[in-house]
Amino acid sequence: EVQLVESGGGLVQPGGSLRLSCAASGFTFSSYWMSWVRQAPGKGLEWVANIKQDGSEKYYVDSVKGRFTISRDNAKNSLYLQMNSLRAEDTAVYYCARDSSHAPDPNYYYYYGMDVWGQGTTVTVSS
Amino acid sequence: DIQMTQSPSSVSASVGDRVTITCRASQGISSWLAWYQQKPGKAPKLLIYAASSLQSGVPSRFSGSGSGTDFTLTISSLQPEDFATYYCQQANSFPLPLTFGGGTKVEIK
Repeated sequence: EVQLVESGGGLVQPGGSLRLSCAASGFTFSSYWMSWVRQAPGKGLEWVANIKQDGSEKYYVDSVKGRFTISRDNAKNSLYLQMNSLRAEDTAVYYCARDSSHAPDPNYYYYYGMDVWGQGTTVTVSS
Repeated sequence: DIQMTQSPSSVSASVGDRVTITCRASQGISSWLAWYQQKPGKAPKLLIYAASSLQSGVPSRFSGSGSGTDFTLTISSLQPEDFATYYCQQANSFPLPLTFGGGTKVEIK
């Protein structure tokens, strides 16, 4: 079964740090771009970051640049999100998701959506 | 960055109704648009990709159309399990920022 399972969420004080993990199974993890998406309480979805199959490219939403770091360990089939200098506005459910895509050209992608999602892990930033 | 605007923000409908949700991009995104369904307390589920391609396993009552800046998601005959929130997402510059729309909640009338 294709599956993503997040862990590492919890309660943290403003300015603190947290590391989220996402364990992948049932598919060739190293073949996919992977993303983190978050959802603040009662709000919509917000893409946070993504990472290329080999970890050589990483992109972030402006609001987390310089504070969050996405990484992966293909040998462990795992995705990570290191979150530093946390703020109250980072409070959300964090999902990892598989980006389905194809690159017929090194500089161009066909994108087929986030086709596998984890169940989410809750991060609460509060004093 | 490309902004995505969904309308309406909520819609009340009955079982069997035809429901249409609109998503507008702030600039042209070709056909690089996906639609997701999310039920309370659950992760989103991919319904449509590349504007009009139905994800495997998704019922055929769901359909997507559009290109450029204007897109629609249509549920041809609303079923009880379709009451949920729907989000559009643009991927014109993938892997650069993947923007979601604000969501449309489909409620029971």
